Amino acid sequence: EVQLVESGGGLVQPGRSMKLSCAASGFTFSSFPMAWVRQAPTKGLEWVATISTSGGSTYYRDSVKGRFTISRDNAKSTLYLQMNSLRSEDTATYYCTRVDRLIRGFDYWGQGVMVTVSS
Amino acid sequence: DVVLTQTPPTLSATIGQSVSISCRSSQSLLHSNGNTYLNWLLQRPGQPPQLLIYLVSRLESGVPNRFSGSGSGTDFTLKISGVEAEDLGVYYCVQSTHAPPTFGGGTKLELK
Repeated sequence: EVQLVESGGGLVQPGRSMKLSCAASGFTFSSFPMAWVRQAPTKGLEWVATISTSGGSTYYRDSVKGRFTISRDNAKSTLYLQMNSLRSEDTATYYCTRVDRLIRGFDYWGQGVMVTVSS
Repeated sequence: DVVLTQTPPTLSATIGQSVSISCRSSQSLLHSNGNTYLNWLLQRPGQPPQLLIYLVSRLESGVPNRFSGSGSGTDFTLKISGVEAEDLGVYYCVQSTHAPPTFGGGTKLELK
């Protein structure tokens, strides 16, 4: 059974940093691109970043470029999101998702972790 | 970025009723490789989204066949033939033909 378990969220002040982790199991982690998708309170879904299987290619939405870094450790089957210079508009539930290359879609989702940026 | 417009934003239905949700794209979602990367997700209350339909019309494993997807180019439809209580939640279309991937605004299905 595919499982994605996020951790590392919480309350953080504007301008500070936070690192999210996502522990994957139930599939060959190194064979799948992975992504982070977020959802602001009572809002819709918004793609944040994607990383290739090797980690050699990364993609970001414009609003987080230069502030967020997606990375992965295939030996540990873990996905990360380093978030720097956090803003109030980054407040959201962050979901770790697996990307199926054939359908280019997000086929499995974690339960999500809440990040609140506030003073 | 591609804009996906979902209608209606809210849908009230009775159990057993058939309903449809529309997703319109600001650009054609037909990829140069011949595939159309338009998927549908369901987010039940308090839960993460789950994949229902991929490549416009293909049912994800385990999804009941009362769900169906159709469409091409810029116009797509999700149909539920006989709503059941477990179908309540917010439905999202999502495209990944063009970078970056984008989501529709969602359609909330509730009981009448």
